Amino acid sequence: EVQLLESGGKLIQPGGSLRLSCAASGFTFSNYVMNWVRQAPGKGLEWVSTLSGGGESTYNADSVKGRFTISRDNSRNTMFLEMENLRAEDTAVYFCARGSQHAYWYFDLWGRGTLVTVSS
Amino acid sequence: QSALTQPPSASGSPGQSVTISCTGTSNDVGGYNYVSWYQQHPGTAPKLMIYEVSKRPSGVPDRFSGSKSGNTASLTVSGLQAEDEADYYCSSYAGSNNLVVFGGGTKLTVL
Repeated sequence: EVQLLESGGKLIQPGGSLRLSCAASGFTFSNYVMNWVRQAPGKGLEWVSTLSGGGESTYNADSVKGRFTISRDNSRNTMFLEMENLRAEDTAVYFCARGSQHAYWYFDLWGRGTLVTVSS
Repeated sequence: QSALTQPPSASGSPGQSVTISCTGTSNDVGGYNYVSWYQQHPGTAPKLMIYEVSKRPSGVPDRFSGSKSGNTASLTVSGLQAEDEADYYCSSYAGSNNLVVFGGGTKLTVL
């Protein structure tokens, strides 16, 4: 089955660090650009970060630049999001999403998300 | 505040048509034919419904259609059905610096 499964979300104090994972299955992971998109409680979607199939190119939203790092291990079909210096405004459900083969800025497969809560 | 502007709500009766607008700028919606639309039911992941302004992925009913004029894109849902009740988000490519921007979402209610 083609799917994405996120993990790693939890309650964390402001200033803390956290690593999210996204496990892919059912497709050739290395052929696809992968992304993180987040959704604060009751709010809309916000693009966070994008990583090319080979891991050589990354793009990050201004709101997370210098704090979040996206990476992948194609041998394990897994993508990661390392988050540092977390703030209350980073509280959200974090979705991993696959970039479409039509263009990587369309997200054609999504995971169910993992909740990150930043609070003291 | 979201980069793209959508109405917070829209509604229609079963069988009717509803159009949701999405307004951006020349740096996103107006500058590229790279608008997409996502449907999200409560507690679930978003689903790609429209890409490249008006194209439908395989499996999306042809009741869903997209268009664009200038800085404003639109999603039209024809022949409304109960299962169409959901939140809808527009998105646009916005250049290599700020790759993707989303709208704030529109809650579609089927009366």
